[in-house]
Amino acid sequence: QVQVVQSGAEMKKPGASVIVSCKTSGDVFTGYFIHWLRQAPGQGPEWMGWINPNSGVTKYAQKFQDRVTITTDTSVNTAYMELKKLTVDDTAVYYCARDMVWHQIRGYFEYWGLGTLITVSS
Amino acid sequence: DIQMTQSPSSLSASVGDSVTITCRASKTVSTYLNWYQQKPGRAPNLLIFASSTLQSGVPSRFSGTASGTDFTLTISGLEPDDFATYYCQQSYSTPYTFGQGTKLEIK
Repeated sequence: QVQVVQSGAEMKKPGASVIVSCKTSGDVFTGYFIHWLRQAPGQGPEWMGWINPNSGVTKYAQKFQDRVTITTDTSVNTAYMELKKLTVDDTAVYYCARDMVWHQIRGYFEYWGLGTLITVSS
Repeated sequence: DIQMTQSPSSLSASVGDSVTITCRASKTVSTYLNWYQQKPGRAPNLLIFASSTLQSGVPSRFSGTASGTDFTLTISGLEPDDFATYYCQQSYSTPYTFGQGTKLEIK
């Protein structure tokens, strides 16, 4: 049974950075792409980027290109998403999600973490 | 970016009813269209991928169809557990984008 566990909620001030972690278990960590998404209050999900844990290759949405960094530590089966220069508009629940197909990018978000609430406020 | 437009934005129905939610893509997404169900305070749950393939464990009352850039999610015989918000999402090209959601409420 695949499990996805994310780090806990955080409160940040505008201009700060945040790192959210995402640990998967129950399957081969390097076998599946990991995506990061966010969902602002009352809005639909928004895709931020993906990482191939097997190679470290990443792809980011243009909107976040200059502020987001996604990495993995394969020794602990964990992915990380760092978002810099936070503004109040970055207040959202941040999710990591595992893609469905072995060693292929499909954009099918099969397994999700519970989400991490990031609140940005002065 | 590919825009995904869902309709209706909200829908009231009764247990046992059948409902259809529509999603239109602003340009071709081939059959790379996925549907998710989300309940308050929970992460989205994948129901259907590749337009019409039912995810493992999802009841057969859920079905999806595609016609060009128009896609539908049908729930045949609503059960109490089905009242939630539904999102379509294209995985044809990045950035992957979602519709604005359809909130299905009990009448």
